[in-house]
Amino acid sequence: DAGVIQSPRHEVTEMGQEVTLRCKPISGHNSLFWYRQTMMRGLELLIYFNNNVPIDDSGMPEDRFSAKMPNASFSTLKIQPSEPRDSAVYFCASSPMGGSSEQYFGPGTRLTVT
Amino acid sequence: GQQLNQSPQSMFIQEGEDVSMNCTSSSIFNTWLWYKQDPGEGPVLLIALYKAGELTSNGRLTAQFGITRKDSFLNISASIPSDVGIYFCAGQLTTGGFKTIFGAGTRLFVKA
Repeated sequence: DAGVIQSPRHEVTEMGQEVTLRCKPISGHNSLFWYRQTMMRGLELLIYFNNNVPIDDSGMPEDRFSAKMPNASFSTLKIQPSEPRDSAVYFCASSPMGGSSEQYFGPGTRLTVT
Repeated sequence: GQQLNQSPQSMFIQEGEDVSMNCTSSSIFNTWLWYKQDPGEGPVLLIALYKAGELTSNGRLTAQFGITRKDSFLNISASIPSDVGIYFCAGQLTTGGFKTIFGAGTRLFVKA
């Protein structure tokens, strides 16, 4: 079975540009999580969805960040405008059965903002 | 906010040695999780603990959910080179949602 799919795997962009990260959760999973990983702050939960509805977005750093889940098989994390401090690896994870503890992570998107 | 203290930050061991790492928190969690992350990949779930006092094994790995619900440990027995990686603990609150807090990780180096 396919795992969580993220695209792109690497993104390099200039400060001020819009960045869109994409995630396809595991089929049948109905919870989706976006994380950011940096050396300084480790793994941080940004936002998670249950049945396509955002449940907790308290980890979203600021208004420049937004996330959507238009259907059960697709989610986006958008940064507009991007800043150098947004450089990090962004992970998407999904869980079966309404957000059980077993979160399955994608390979991540390494974002570099210059 | 809630934080997890994971220790040690890094470990350098010889192949065949046993390893122990732990996480503590000032807050109670009702689920503890242990993940391993290899370079360039996402974390992979190793063990999930759902009950205070629970002791669970997965091959050479053993993890326990502390009785106070504020701590957990992970042991790896007879380490091998492929155990190299970063191990993360994570505490999860499953009331009102599934917010997950991750520890800073323990970097394990195994010398053959």
